[in-house]
Amino acid sequence: TQLLEQSPQFLSIQEGENLTVYCNSSSVFSSLQWYRQEPGEGPVLLVTVVTGGEVKKLKRLTFQFGDARKDSSLHITAAQPGDTGLYLCAGPRGQNFVFGPGTRLSVLP
Amino acid sequence: KAGVTQTPRYLIKTRGQQVTLSCSPISGHRSVSWYQQTPGQGLQFLFEYFSETQRNKGNFPGRFSGRQFSNSRSEMNVSTLELGDSALYLCASSFRTGFYNEQFFGPGTRLTVL
Repeated sequence: TQLLEQSPQFLSIQEGENLTVYCNSSSVFSSLQWYRQEPGEGPVLLVTVVTGGEVKKLKRLTFQFGDARKDSSLHITAAQPGDTGLYLCAGPRGQNFVFGPGTRLSVLP
Repeated sequence: KAGVTQTPRYLIKTRGQQVTLSCSPISGHRSVSWYQQTPGQGLQFLFEYFSETQRNKGNFPGRFSGRQFSNSRSEMNVSTLELGDSALYLCASSFRTGFYNEQFFGPGTRLTVL
């Protein structure tokens, strides 16, 4: 059983559409991070959320941390082909740092 | 500023052998973390080194070990390789220790165990 679950696993949409991907856990996290990974490259950090209920915006991307700090969401407005990639959420668990399985997003032109 | 570099980029080994992977962090970064990425298990944290000391550790067997040198460069060693060790091994560096800090990932070393 994964400590962090992500949904959907795969998402294929047309350019210009909006989408939301989710990261859920039954455990409380002190913080969560979102990464995007493109083929052949390492993940790139998009955002870190720390406070329950926190909302952060990064251009067309909006990140929310749940009030109970057990879940997070990433909303993309007017998706572009450049948004294509694997979106991963991750957070610290003691001395470990756990990742969700990721949502693979494909934005078609 | 140069990014995180990892060598070699590709490696093929056979079961029972051992392997050493190398990571050079971004200049000025003193923390280096190692991760394993597989299609089945996803991205998993191995360990983090800061100032030549292991600070954090994931749930991997003792066959996986690492070290960090005084110039912050790090090596990861896997002994007695198993088929399941085939994976992309990623290294990430950050200025400070701890999981709150931004990590910069290298491109990874693709290890294939035959």
